[in-house]
Amino acid sequence: ETGVTQTPRHLVMGMTNKKSLKCEQHLGHNAMYWYKQSAKKPLELMFVYSLEERVENNSVPSRFSPECPNSSHLFLHLHTLQPEDSALYLCASSQDIAGLSEAFFGQGTRLTVV
Amino acid sequence: DQQVKQNSPSLSVQEGRISILNCDYTNSMFDYFLWYKKYPAEGPTFLISISSIKDKNEDGRFTVFLNKSAKHLSLHIVPSQPGDSAVYFCAASARFGNEKLTFGTGTRLTIIP
Repeated sequence: ETGVTQTPRHLVMGMTNKKSLKCEQHLGHNAMYWYKQSAKKPLELMFVYSLEERVENNSVPSRFSPECPNSSHLFLHLHTLQPEDSALYLCASSQDIAGLSEAFFGQGTRLTVV
Repeated sequence: DQQVKQNSPSLSVQEGRISILNCDYTNSMFDYFLWYKKYPAEGPTFLISISSIKDKNEDGRFTVFLNKSAKHLSLHIVPSQPGDSAVYFCAASARFGNEKLTFGTGTRLTIIP
């Protein structure tokens, strides 16, 4: 399997739940990203990992916790979310963050917080 | 403050005609620009890019034009086809300093058969 794969595709969770989003890339890329897409807003970069190290955290609330155990996998752990966190969460990867390579995106996880 | 702006949330074009999607940016450090296409229930996919050393890049039916003095770029699709109906995101990045892609809000293109 090639490309960027995200699971689950859809997730409904209560505000007191703990869940995790998973992203896997088989492209041999060194950089991975979490983006959030809300209605009528630009894609918002949340986290950047390069060679398994977090290099950027764009003022994301601590109820979102990323984890990158290796260069092929990226997780986003969720706990005590708010309804306004409902959005499409997209994972992406690119060859590296220093070059001008385009990012490859997964299909996203549609998250609904109730 | 949005650094990449797509002021038209939607656009409808007749099949066979030219579709023109516009994008403006404010950060003069941006020197690499990309267009992504997104179908419902799928992630964005890379479509075409342009470096600031060029003012035009063409790939089949898709052409991107860059006007650095106006901080404006546009994507032309000709002829437009029904399969082109999607949301198009403009993105920009800087060669030095902040490397990450900054996206616009997207324009929903509908091709009318």
